[in-house]
Amino acid sequence: GENVEQHPSTLSVQEGDSAVIKCTYSDSASNYFPWYKQELGKRPQLIIDIRSNVGEKKDQRIAVTLNKTAKHFSLHITETQPEDSAVYFCAASLSGTASKLTFGTGTRLQVTL
Amino acid sequence: GAVVSQHPSRVICKSGTSVKIECRSLDFQATTMFWYRQFPKQSLMLMATSNEGSKATYEQGVEKDKFLINHASLTLSTLTVTSAHPEDSSFYICSASRDSSDGELFFGEGSRLTVL
Repeated sequence: GENVEQHPSTLSVQEGDSAVIKCTYSDSASNYFPWYKQELGKRPQLIIDIRSNVGEKKDQRIAVTLNKTAKHFSLHITETQPEDSAVYFCAASLSGTASKLTFGTGTRLQVTL
Repeated sequence: GAVVSQHPSRVICKSGTSVKIECRSLDFQATTMFWYRQFPKQSLMLMATSNEGSKATYEQGVEKDKFLINHASLTLSTLTVTSAHPEDSSFYICSASRDSSDGELFFGEGSRLTVL
């Protein structure tokens, strides 16, 4: 089955700096890669996703890059703000309905003033 | 957007009792729902895939007789933790995919189970 690794497990940045979180996956057939933000005790919220037919996707301060050859994808948050502090999870799955997501281990991001 | 509602959000029970958690897709039909368990400061671990009108598919290591899943309609799946023990205390989250969507999952609010 799919195995997703995520680094780093914790990340502390100063407000305004950029944050980068990296994930690798094992199943070359995976082609849907979402990123979720989870605040304490709450449900994961989808913040951005990318499919294997594109290499990069951007949404305001958030961007994701995908390297299918190397089987890794990264989340980039620019101009970080305190409200970006949360746990971020990457995931991978086969696209389509009823797809099982395999989650990474999570990164706790702390944005300090 | 699609809404998935989960109930109850918190439940405390005595050891040996059973607890039922409901997961509803409020504005879309979901042939398939997924149940995850999340321990503190850990990732979401898929427990089982709930299929409407058929038996659930359990992940390796998940006891199907302990975690009973019923998906009786296109908008409701239930997870029953039977004979709960303190080690079953966890955050249980369901998710659903719209049948017409392309992979995106929508999560419920989660249910925090505490077994005394």
